[in-house]
Amino acid sequence: DAGITQSPRYKITETGRQVTLMCHQTWSHSYMFWYRQDLGHGLRLIYYSAAADITDKGEVPDGYVVSRSKTENFPLTLESATRSQTSVYFCASSVLSGTYEQYFGPGTRLTVT
Amino acid sequence: AQSVSQHNHHVILSEAASLELGCNYSYGGTVNLFWYVQYPGQHLQLLLKYFSGDPLVKGIKGFEAEFIKSKFSFNLRKPSVQWSDTAEYFCAVVDYKLSFGAGTTVTVRA
Repeated sequence: DAGITQSPRYKITETGRQVTLMCHQTWSHSYMFWYRQDLGHGLRLIYYSAAADITDKGEVPDGYVVSRSKTENFPLTLESATRSQTSVYFCASSVLSGTYEQYFGPGTRLTVT
Repeated sequence: AQSVSQHNHHVILSEAASLELGCNYSYGGTVNLFWYVQYPGQHLQLLLKYFSGDPLVKGIKGFEAEFIKSKFSFNLRKPSVQWSDTAEYFCAVVDYKLSFGAGTTVTVRA
């Protein structure tokens, strides 16, 4: 199906474990983004990517790693998960940055115990 | 960096009531503004957007927003809400990235 998908949709992991959240889009959008959504904070940008092999930090990048070897995939890795990383994670994509609309995936609810 | 302030954390109203959600942003230059909606259990969807031109913007599902440059505001309105408008609403402003407000939860009682 066309669009933007995220996997897994739900994940429970333990403190200290590495976990990777996947994001895949079928539109060939140049830009991709990772946000986390926390009560009272809205959505905060973790990392974004302007194209394959080009990534940059957002507002809250600490504890996260991203890569983008292919245009359509933008995985987010928590190298050593902490309880403060319990959140809902949204991936988004857009044709270009700036004025263009971002399209969001369904989200991944991550719980770190 | 941009900051976006949404005035109301939680709004509760009855069907057919009018809705207005406040949004203010910090940047004084040219801005692009968005309202997104997140229905329960769903991902974010674009309600409407403002880039330039007529400051009164009409979006989907009967929503509209007014850009007032002098007040750094982009308030969302709907004249008559329905139960299905129960959702969380986010205002966002873009420079090179979207900056989101904290969100307003809207609960519409039947």
